[in-house]
Amino acid sequence: GAGVSQSPRYKVAKRGQDVALRCDPISGHVSLFWYQQALGQGPEFLTYFQNEAQLDKSGLPSDRFFAERPEGSVSTLKIQRTQQEDSAVYLCASRLDTRREKLFFGSGTQLSVL
Amino acid sequence: LAKTTQPISMDSYEGQEVNITCSHNNIATNDYITWYQQFPSQGPRFIIQGYKTKVTNEVASLFIPADRKSSTLSLPRVSLSDTAVYYCLVGDGGSARQLTFGSGTQLTVLP
Repeated sequence: GAGVSQSPRYKVAKRGQDVALRCDPISGHVSLFWYQQALGQGPEFLTYFQNEAQLDKSGLPSDRFFAERPEGSVSTLKIQRTQQEDSAVYLCASRLDTRREKLFFGSGTQLSVL
Repeated sequence: LAKTTQPISMDSYEGQEVNITCSHNNIATNDYITWYQQFPSQGPRFIIQGYKTKVTNEVASLFIPADRKSSTLSLPRVSLSDTAVYYCLVGDGGSARQLTFGSGTQLTVLP
């Protein structure tokens, strides 16, 4: 597709459920980022991939959060045993490669944990 | 990481020029300054990037003084559709964590 695609657009989970959020980056983009955005706040960095390698996962808030990009394209952010504080918009962004290249964002997945 | 400071909110009227200033006192030699715009229910969108002096594109201008400790995003003749949150980021992109957004500036354009 022409842009970054994320699915689902909305996800409601009961506390304790596991969820999986998908990101389809722009074709050919080497770098992929995941962000978490709480209501009224700016996006906060979670993790970064270069191709299939997860080079930085320092922003993941707990070991319940796991991300993968096995073939260097589609990425999945998994949250195990969801908690209410996990409720947020999860944004995915991709970048061609060069450091100063701009990020292209998807519209995000809004996760609500009840 | 270079920390940025922006006003929390700004109001303007249609047709006016809007200037949003970002402070980044600890900017490093290799750092670039990048601005993003975010509408509700959408991801941020790149507006403009610069290193020094002035950069202009079809939607905005970016003014950076010689000391580079601040930058000003200028939006000419704003319309209601420019109502959004604007984020200033500083970094050379080499570290993923540099691409960290602050709380941004909520610009509200009034009729």
